[in-house]
Amino acid sequence: DAKTTQPTSMDCAEGRAANLPCNHSTISGNEYVYWYRQIHSQGPQYIIHGLKNNETNEMASLIITEDRKSSTLILPHATLRDTAVYYCIVRVWDSNYQLIWGAGTKLIIKP
Amino acid sequence: DSGVTQTPKHLITATGQRVTLRCSPRSGDLSVYWYQQSLDQGLQFLIQYYNGEERAKGNILERFSAQQFPDLHSELNLSSLELGDSALYFCASSGPAGYNEQFFGPGTRLTVL
Repeated sequence: DAKTTQPTSMDCAEGRAANLPCNHSTISGNEYVYWYRQIHSQGPQYIIHGLKNNETNEMASLIITEDRKSSTLILPHATLRDTAVYYCIVRVWDSNYQLIWGAGTKLIIKP
Repeated sequence: DSGVTQTPKHLITATGQRVTLRCSPRSGDLSVYWYQQSLDQGLQFLIQYYNGEERAKGNILERFSAQQFPDLHSELNLSSLELGDSALYFCASSGPAGYNEQFFGPGTRLTVL
């Protein structure tokens, strides 16, 4: 699976959009981009995933660049409860479904 | 609530001992995954089971073993425990398709003294 690079930490004001970047320059054509988050030692929570088209659900939007070498997770109206570590994971859609986790981005939402 | 349950929530034991962690997947999910998260570290994949059979292995020590039972619950057995085994152990489950997201349980915090 391709390696991902994320900033170690980010701040965002409550009510503003939080934009979390992820670089995955070695991504291959059959690899998907997944985002999970972990709120203070709780079990990680799935947010969204995509292949090449932009995706949106009730939690967030995922913007993937045309060359697929990077992506951005957007939390449209961040709240204090969105403070968490956000993980960008790139993996092949195959029978070995395990997720390979990096260090993630610690997002702190400030009032 | 993800629908995945793990017991116990906390476990404190001594070096050299053996413990068993239990996981019940979401109703209908056939895949179970185990992950280890040491203090301030990322999650490390240990092992995956699908419908009772081992599907994939990650960085799982020989002292650790797991199984998935016919009712699809899974157990992770940790033996000859060392101080370094102290960690959060998460179980996750997912549906059969490869694209399905994984749903994580609340974890078991293991402390080895």
